[in-house]
Amino acid sequence: RKEVEQDPGPFNVPEGATVAFNCTYSNSASQSFFWYRQDCRKEPKLLMSVYSSGNEDGRFTAQLNRASQYISLLIRDSKLSDSATYLCVVNTPTSDKLIFGTGTRLQVFP
Amino acid sequence: DVKVTQSSRYLVKRTGEKVFLECVQDMDHENMFWYRQDPGLGLRLIYFSYDVKMKEKGDIPEGYSVSREKKERFSLILESASTNQTSMYLCASTTWSEAFFGQGTRLTVV
Repeated sequence: RKEVEQDPGPFNVPEGATVAFNCTYSNSASQSFFWYRQDCRKEPKLLMSVYSSGNEDGRFTAQLNRASQYISLLIRDSKLSDSATYLCVVNTPTSDKLIFGTGTRLQVFP
Repeated sequence: DVKVTQSSRYLVKRTGEKVFLECVQDMDHENMFWYRQDPGLGLRLIYFSYDVKMKEKGDIPEGYSVSREKKERFSLILESASTNQTSMYLCASTTWSEAFFGQGTRLTVV
């Protein structure tokens, strides 16, 4: 089983839609969780960290479910500029190594 | 502003050539990583380093080696390039909570 698993998509949604991505991780001892965004032909960049209590940043909401070992990203009121690949990232408990999922591709259309 | 710089954006090399990919960070981070990214496979870890002269194999080290003579510089070496090493190579420098990526090197081996 992969350490971090994501649905590769693509998710094709109209502008204004709400879309959600899930990601599962295998190591129950993982402590830190993140969502990264990667635009086409660019490097990944941190979108937001995911906290146990859940956190929100504008139209983006991240949630963590430790019992089921998954994290989620909800995007409300999708914009064309949200089109990108979203990478789920989990740390390894005993080191500073970050494990990346393969990414979920989102395409927002007019 | 945080910066990770990779020596080349695009590189074309011949099969059997020795290839050097250089990465420099200016954040005084101890941890540095080399990934390759291929469609449908996501980011895969090749090698990483937690300190000068220290290196550890990632998930796909075969055909690669690395060098970390100075804290700010982490080099990836393809001893004898092969066509299956055609890929996007990404260097990252990390803290425990965030990874900062270089702009990537798209390597084509012909």
